[in-house]
Amino acid sequence: LAKTTQPISMDSYEGQEVNITCSHNNIATNDYITWYQQFPSQGPRFIIQGYKTKVTNEVASLFIPADRKSSTLSLPRVSLSDTAVYYCLVGGTGTASKLTFGTGTRLQVTL
Amino acid sequence: NAGVTQTPKFRVLKTGQSMTLLCAQDMNHEYMYWYRQDPGMGLRLIHYSVGEGTTAKGEVPDGYNVSRLKKQNFLLGLESAAPSQTSVYFCASSYSSSGGKTGELFFGEGSRLTVL
Repeated sequence: LAKTTQPISMDSYEGQEVNITCSHNNIATNDYITWYQQFPSQGPRFIIQGYKTKVTNEVASLFIPADRKSSTLSLPRVSLSDTAVYYCLVGGTGTASKLTFGTGTRLQVTL
Repeated sequence: NAGVTQTPKFRVLKTGQSMTLLCAQDMNHEYMYWYRQDPGMGLRLIHYSVGEGTTAKGEVPDGYNVSRLKKQNFLLGLESAAPSQTSVYFCASSYSSSGGKTGELFFGEGSRLTVL
Protein backbone atom coordinates (compact mmCIF):
# COMPACT_ATOMS: atom_id res chain seq x y z
CA LEU A 1 0.00 0.00 0.00
CA ALA A 2 1.09 3.55 -0.65
CA LYS A 3 2.78 5.19 2.31
CA THR A 4 1.57 8.66 3.14
CA THR A 5 3.45 11.64 4.57
CA GLN A 6 1.72 14.62 6.18
CA PRO A 7 2.92 17.55 8.27
CA ILE A 8 2.76 16.75 11.97
CA SER A 9 0.99 19.97 12.91
CA MET A 10 -0.41 23.21 11.54
CA ASP A 11 -1.72 26.39 13.11
CA SER A 12 -4.34 28.73 11.72
CA TYR A 13 -6.47 31.66 12.72
CA GLU A 14 -10.23 31.48 12.57
CA GLY A 15 -11.63 32.52 9.21
CA GLN A 16 -8.57 31.52 7.20
CA GLU A 17 -8.38 28.83 4.54
CA VAL A 18 -6.26 25.85 5.55
CA ASN A 19 -4.56 23.53 3.10
CA ILE A 20 -3.11 20.24 4.33
CA THR A 21 -0.97 18.36 1.85
CA CYS A 22 -0.39 14.63 1.84
CA SER A 23 2.37 12.95 -0.13
CA HIS A 24 1.77 9.43 -1.53
CA ASN A 25 4.45 8.76 -4.13
CA ASN A 26 3.67 5.05 -4.51
CA ILE A 27 -0.08 5.36 -5.09
CA ALA A 28 -1.47 2.52 -7.20
CA THR A 29 -3.76 2.85 -10.19
CA ASN A 30 -6.88 1.68 -8.35
CA ASP A 31 -6.20 3.56 -5.09
CA TYR A 32 -8.54 6.22 -3.78
CA ILE A 33 -7.49 9.04 -1.45
CA THR A 34 -9.60 9.47 1.67
CA TRP A 35 -9.38 12.00 4.48
CA TYR A 36 -10.67 11.47 8.00
CA GLN A 37 -11.07 13.95 10.87
CA GLN A 38 -10.68 13.04 14.53
CA PHE A 39 -11.70 15.15 17.49
CA PRO A 40 -10.32 14.41 20.96
CA SER A 41 -12.00 11.43 22.62
CA GLN A 42 -13.89 10.52 19.45
CA GLY A 43 -13.43 8.07 16.62
CA PRO A 44 -12.30 9.34 13.20
CA ARG A 45 -14.96 10.61 10.85
CA PHE A 46 -14.97 10.51 7.05
CA ILE A 47 -14.51 13.94 5.46
CA ILE A 48 -13.93 13.50 1.76
CA GLN A 49 -12.68 11.04 -0.84
CA GLY A 50 -11.35 11.41 -4.36
CA TYR A 51 -9.58 9.66 -7.21
CA LYS A 52 -8.38 12.52 -9.42
CA THR A 53 -8.77 16.25 -10.10
CA LYS A 54 -11.04 18.02 -7.64
CA VAL A 55 -13.79 16.92 -5.30
CA THR A 56 -15.88 19.28 -3.20
CA ASN A 57 -18.51 18.66 -0.55
CA GLU A 58 -20.18 20.77 2.09
CA VAL A 59 -17.17 20.81 4.42
CA ALA A 60 -14.02 20.54 2.31
CA SER A 61 -12.36 20.29 -1.07
CA LEU A 62 -9.82 17.76 -2.20
CA PHE A 63 -7.32 18.63 -4.91
CA ILE A 64 -5.45 15.83 -6.66
CA PRO A 65 -2.89 16.64 -9.38
CA ALA A 66 -2.64 14.61 -12.56
CA ASP A 67 0.21 12.42 -11.30
CA ARG A 68 -1.77 11.64 -8.08
CA LYS A 69 1.44 11.54 -6.03
CA SER A 70 0.04 14.07 -3.60
CA SER A 71 -3.28 15.50 -2.53
CA THR A 72 -4.39 18.63 -0.69
CA LEU A 73 -7.28 18.88 1.71
CA SER A 74 -8.66 22.41 1.72
CA LEU A 75 -10.80 23.68 4.60
CA PRO A 76 -12.39 27.04 3.78
CA ARG A 77 -12.75 29.64 6.50
CA VAL A 78 -11.88 27.41 9.46
CA SER A 79 -13.45 27.90 12.86
CA LEU A 80 -12.37 26.85 16.34
CA SER A 81 -14.44 23.69 15.91
CA ASP A 82 -12.16 22.55 13.08
CA THR A 83 -9.36 21.97 15.60
CA ALA A 84 -8.71 18.25 15.17
CA VAL A 85 -6.33 15.66 13.74
CA TYR A 86 -6.65 15.00 10.01
CA TYR A 87 -5.59 11.70 8.47
CA CYS A 88 -4.84 10.99 4.81
CA LEU A 89 -5.36 7.39 3.72
CA VAL A 90 -4.69 5.74 0.37
CA GLY A 91 -6.12 2.41 -0.71
CA GLY A 92 -8.18 0.50 -3.21
CA THR A 93 -10.34 -2.58 -3.43
CA GLY A 94 -9.64 -5.14 -0.73
CA THR A 95 -7.35 -2.86 1.21
CA ALA A 96 -9.63 -1.58 3.96
CA SER A 97 -8.01 -3.97 6.44
CA LYS A 98 -4.58 -2.70 5.50
CA LEU A 99 -5.22 1.01 5.63
CA THR A 100 -2.72 2.72 7.88
CA PHE A 101 -3.64 5.69 10.00
CA GLY A 102 -0.36 7.52 10.44
CA THR A 103 0.07 10.16 13.08
CA GLY A 104 -1.98 12.58 10.98
CA THR A 105 -1.83 16.38 10.98
CA ARG A 106 -2.86 18.15 14.15
CA LEU A 107 -4.63 21.39 13.18
CA GLN A 108 -4.95 24.05 15.85
CA VAL A 109 -7.30 26.93 15.10
CA THR A 110 -7.18 30.04 17.31
CA LEU A 111 -8.93 33.38 17.42
CA ASN B 1 -29.84 5.14 13.84
CA ALA B 2 -27.14 4.42 16.42
CA GLY B 3 -24.34 3.54 13.96
CA VAL B 4 -21.48 1.87 15.83
CA THR B 5 -21.85 1.43 19.58
CA GLN B 6 -19.08 0.30 21.93
CA THR B 7 -19.45 -0.94 25.49
CA PRO B 8 -18.09 -0.28 28.00
CA LYS B 9 -16.77 3.23 27.41
CA PHE B 10 -14.37 3.10 30.36
CA ARG B 11 -12.81 0.23 32.26
CA VAL B 12 -9.99 -0.22 34.74
CA LEU B 13 -8.41 -3.65 35.06
CA LYS B 14 -5.69 -5.18 37.15
CA THR B 15 -2.85 -7.02 35.45
CA GLY B 16 -3.91 -10.56 34.64
CA GLN B 17 -7.65 -9.91 34.60
CA SER B 18 -9.76 -10.65 31.55
CA MET B 19 -12.45 -8.64 29.86
CA THR B 20 -14.47 -8.31 26.67
CA LEU B 21 -15.26 -5.20 24.68
CA LEU B 22 -18.46 -5.31 22.65
CA CYS B 23 -19.02 -3.54 19.36
CA ALA B 24 -22.45 -3.43 17.76
CA GLN B 25 -23.42 -1.89 14.41
CA ASP B 26 -26.87 -1.43 12.96
CA MET B 27 -25.88 -0.59 9.37
CA ASN B 28 -25.80 -4.20 8.13
CA HIS B 29 -22.10 -3.84 7.32
CA GLU B 30 -20.14 -6.93 6.39
CA TYR B 31 -16.76 -5.68 7.59
CA MET B 32 -15.81 -4.84 11.15
CA TYR B 33 -12.51 -3.79 12.72
CA TRP B 34 -10.88 -3.25 16.09
CA TYR B 35 -8.18 -0.57 16.40
CA ARG B 36 -6.14 0.71 19.31
CA GLN B 37 -4.87 4.26 19.66
CA ASP B 38 -2.09 5.24 22.02
CA PRO B 39 -1.36 8.85 23.04
CA GLY B 40 -0.09 10.93 20.13
CA MET B 41 -0.30 8.00 17.76
CA GLY B 42 -2.45 6.99 14.86
CA LEU B 43 -4.77 4.00 14.93
CA ARG B 44 -3.34 0.49 14.66
CA LEU B 45 -5.46 -2.42 13.47
CA ILE B 46 -5.74 -5.30 15.96
CA HIS B 47 -8.16 -7.74 14.28
CA TYR B 48 -10.83 -7.51 11.65
CA SER B 49 -13.71 -9.52 10.21
CA VAL B 50 -14.94 -9.78 6.66
CA GLY B 51 -18.22 -11.39 7.62
CA GLU B 52 -20.16 -13.35 10.21
CA GLY B 53 -18.12 -16.24 11.55
CA THR B 54 -14.80 -14.97 10.18
CA THR B 55 -11.91 -13.13 11.80
CA ALA B 56 -8.37 -12.21 10.78
CA LYS B 57 -5.28 -10.70 12.35
CA GLY B 58 -4.30 -7.13 11.83
CA GLU B 59 -1.10 -5.26 12.58
CA VAL B 60 -0.97 -5.80 16.38
CA PRO B 61 -3.02 -8.94 17.27
CA ASP B 62 -0.92 -10.38 20.13
CA GLY B 63 -2.72 -10.55 23.47
CA TYR B 64 -6.18 -10.16 21.93
CA ASN B 65 -8.86 -12.51 20.64
CA VAL B 66 -12.01 -11.72 18.70
CA SER B 67 -15.28 -13.33 17.72
CA ARG B 68 -18.00 -12.48 15.18
CA LEU B 69 -20.84 -14.85 15.99
CA LYS B 70 -23.47 -12.42 14.73
CA LYS B 71 -23.12 -10.06 11.79
CA GLN B 72 -23.91 -7.01 13.87
CA ASN B 73 -21.52 -7.76 16.75
CA PHE B 74 -17.73 -7.92 16.98
CA LEU B 75 -16.19 -8.81 20.34
CA LEU B 76 -12.64 -8.04 21.43
CA GLY B 77 -11.27 -10.07 24.33
CA LEU B 78 -8.26 -9.67 26.56
CA GLU B 79 -7.55 -12.99 28.29
CA SER B 80 -4.81 -11.73 30.60
CA ALA B 81 -4.54 -7.95 30.59
CA ALA B 82 -1.12 -6.27 30.68
CA PRO B 83 -0.21 -2.62 31.33
CA SER B 84 0.96 -2.39 27.69
CA GLN B 85 -2.67 -2.84 26.67
CA THR B 86 -3.66 0.43 28.29
CA SER B 87 -5.11 2.31 25.35
CA VAL B 88 -8.22 3.65 23.69
CA TYR B 89 -9.93 1.02 21.59
CA PHE B 90 -12.03 1.90 18.56
CA CYS B 91 -14.37 -0.32 16.67
CA ALA B 92 -15.27 0.43 13.06
CA SER B 93 -17.41 -1.06 10.34
CA SER B 94 -17.64 -0.66 6.59
CA TYR B 95 -19.93 -1.78 3.79
CA SER B 96 -17.12 -3.22 1.71
CA SER B 97 -13.44 -4.00 2.00
CA SER B 98 -12.49 -1.24 -0.35
CA GLY B 99 -10.09 1.41 0.79
CA GLY B 100 -11.90 3.57 -1.68
CA LYS B 101 -15.51 3.92 -2.72
CA THR B 102 -18.03 2.15 -0.48
CA GLY B 103 -15.21 1.38 1.94
CA GLU B 104 -15.88 4.33 4.22
CA LEU B 105 -15.11 3.40 7.82
CA PHE B 106 -17.69 4.24 10.48
CA PHE B 107 -16.19 4.45 13.96
CA GLY B 108 -17.57 4.08 17.45
CA GLU B 109 -16.87 6.56 20.23
CA GLY B 110 -14.07 4.49 21.71
CA SER B 111 -13.46 2.49 24.88
CA ARG B 112 -10.79 3.73 27.25
CA LEU B 113 -9.04 0.85 29.00
CA THR B 114 -6.53 1.21 31.81
CA VAL B 115 -4.56 -1.78 33.06
CA LEU B 116 -2.87 -1.29 36.41
